[in-house]
Amino acid sequence: DGGITQSPKYLFRKEGQNVTLSCEQNLNHDAMYWYRQDPGQGLRLIYYSQIVNDFQKGDIAEGYSVSREKKESFPLTVTSAQKNPTAFYLCASSIVSGQGYLYEQFFGPGTRLTVL
Amino acid sequence: KNEVEQSPQNLTAQEGEFITINCSYSVGISALHWLQQHPGGGIVSLFMLSSGKKKHGRLIATINIQEKHSSLHITASHPRDSAVYICAVSLLGGYGKLTFGQGTILTVHP
Repeated sequence: DGGITQSPKYLFRKEGQNVTLSCEQNLNHDAMYWYRQDPGQGLRLIYYSQIVNDFQKGDIAEGYSVSREKKESFPLTVTSAQKNPTAFYLCASSIVSGQGYLYEQFFGPGTRLTVL
Repeated sequence: KNEVEQSPQNLTAQEGEFITINCSYSVGISALHWLQQHPGGGIVSLFMLSSGKKKHGRLIATINIQEKHSSLHITASHPRDSAVYICAVSLLGGYGKLTFGQGTILTVHP
């Protein structure tokens, strides 16, 4: 079955520790994204990658880092510099369709990070 | 002002009712997306629209590009439709990254 996997579903960390969230897709999509969701707020873009070995900052990149060494994988590291890391993190990927500008989105199940 | 505004924020309905959720946006877009998020958190893409109207089962989505407005309709609503419905837009030249509305919490009572 094709899809996006994120692990783990729930993650607990102590304040000051870096933590890496996994995102893997077997959909052969070029583009991948990380979003953050806080209660009562819309999702916000952290980082995105259009192609292997390239990624761009989103709206709230401070305190986060990513890598894109393989097409299938786009891990997100939440560093100790992120002031308020407790949130729900969603990974997504997309494929270009239509006239080359329509990106259909596919989402992973999410990781709920709690920093104690 | 948010670039994507949804209304209402909360919606309660009785089973069988016709439901409409609205989305307005203020930027140039290549597509508008309607997404569904269940209590577990996972998000499913319902529709991607660049013009006109799409239908899937009891769900209908429309978009008016000139008015920068979209609606999601649910006919014959059912308790299993209870979820958060999110409108999101792909900006022109934005390489697929999405800008999201706040979401509409829908509760359908039997």
